[in-house]
Amino acid sequence: SQTIHQWPATLVQPVGSPLSLECTVEGTSNPNLYWYRQAAGRGLQLLFYSVGIGQISSEVPQNLSASRPQDRQFILSSKKLLLSDSGFYLCAWRRGAGNTIYFGEGSWLTVV
Amino acid sequence: DAKTTQPPSMDCAEGRAANLPCNHSTISGNEYVYWYRQIHSQGPQYIIHGLKNNETNEMASLIITEDRKSSTLILPHATLRDTAVYYCIVRGLDQTGANNLFFGTGTRLTVIP
Repeated sequence: SQTIHQWPATLVQPVGSPLSLECTVEGTSNPNLYWYRQAAGRGLQLLFYSVGIGQISSEVPQNLSASRPQDRQFILSSKKLLLSDSGFYLCAWRRGAGNTIYFGEGSWLTVV
Repeated sequence: DAKTTQPPSMDCAEGRAANLPCNHSTISGNEYVYWYRQIHSQGPQYIIHGLKNNETNEMASLIITEDRKSSTLILPHATLRDTAVYYCIVRGLDQTGANNLFFGTGTRLTVIP
């Protein structure tokens, strides 16, 4: 069966510090991978998606970047965090030909 | 993607069936109905989805009306661990899945001992 794992689960970082959230998927190959940010009661905002190694599409201009160094690894990064980067970040995957999206456990980021 | 309407909250006695309704009157012919649930501070968990026919899996059943304008998620024997916010969303097939997912406010289901 397929599993998705992201870490860390919670993170408190000072303004201006770097960020790295990691996500891995097991049990499948060549998945589509996604990073979302969830705002309370407002749904999931897509930040980045990737259909293959090294292929990253950004949906929203922002202080964040994403990379896919391996087929089943997706990383969300920032060189200098802003207070407004605080939030709940979700990694997700789906099969290329399928439509169901599966989510990781989520990462709470607090920038102080 | 079509928008959905759900009641903000529901209670259900432990061991009884929980029936969660969802209205999606503007759904188009190629859009699926998806249900997810989210326990506080965790990622959304996929439950079930359907297009026209009723669906059942190990977690739940999904009943879609004939006109597809509404659906009901049924948890046949609710347990305390089913307490969560349940989201109904509709979305069509797409090549990359690259769009925002409007979860809205969902239904907060509380299973009572």
